[in-house]
Amino acid sequence: NAGVMQNPRHLVRRRGQEARLRCSPMKGHSHVYWYRQLPEEGLKFMVYLQKENIIDESGMPKERFSAEFPKEGPSILRIQQVVRGDSAAYFCASSLGPPEEKLFFGSGTQLSVL
Amino acid sequence: DAKTTQPNSMESNEEEPVHLPCNHSTISGTDYIHWYRQLPSQGPEYVIHGLTSNVNNRMASLAIAEDRKSSTLILHRATLRDAAVYYCILRDDQGAQKLVFGQGTRLTINP
Repeated sequence: NAGVMQNPRHLVRRRGQEARLRCSPMKGHSHVYWYRQLPEEGLKFMVYLQKENIIDESGMPKERFSAEFPKEGPSILRIQQVVRGDSAAYFCASSLGPPEEKLFFGSGTQLSVL
Repeated sequence: DAKTTQPNSMESNEEEPVHLPCNHSTISGTDYIHWYRQLPSQGPEYVIHGLTSNVNNRMASLAIAEDRKSSTLILHRATLRDAAVYYCILRDDQGAQKLVFGQGTRLTINP
């Protein structure tokens, strides 16, 4: 049973370009979470989605960032017009949902903005 | 989410037990205590969780104080592969499903 798959592993973008980060949850998981980790800092929650619905986006920046988890296919975190401050590791996690307590994390996408 | 307090760093020797403390004095009755760890250049990994009773699994043990205001993650025999940042997190059984990470404890294992 494959774990949470994130791609690409590394992504380089120039300022002003768009970044698309993909997350395929574990088989059977319908809950997805995105986290961001800036260099030498802790993990910050961004958004929590179930299939086709955003449940909690309290950690998402108000502009340039969006997330989706369509009925078919991976969850996508999209960052428009990237800036140097967006450089970070972005982690995705998935779970079965309640009452399952565990979150399973992917290996992350390292975004570098030049 | 209720707050937890952990030491910034700890150091131990290989093949010795490690006790990682966590204080959570404002814990509520429905908060579960979760531990995750993050190895270098990897995503976090679930370690263990509990509510009131001590818990054991193949990775570690979780000792929870009787008043639930503190807990200790116990690695019985540390290896070099246990070097990681360990996060103690409270998660409300009744509320949101997200995990709120603090700064964690950076554990160094000496050979």
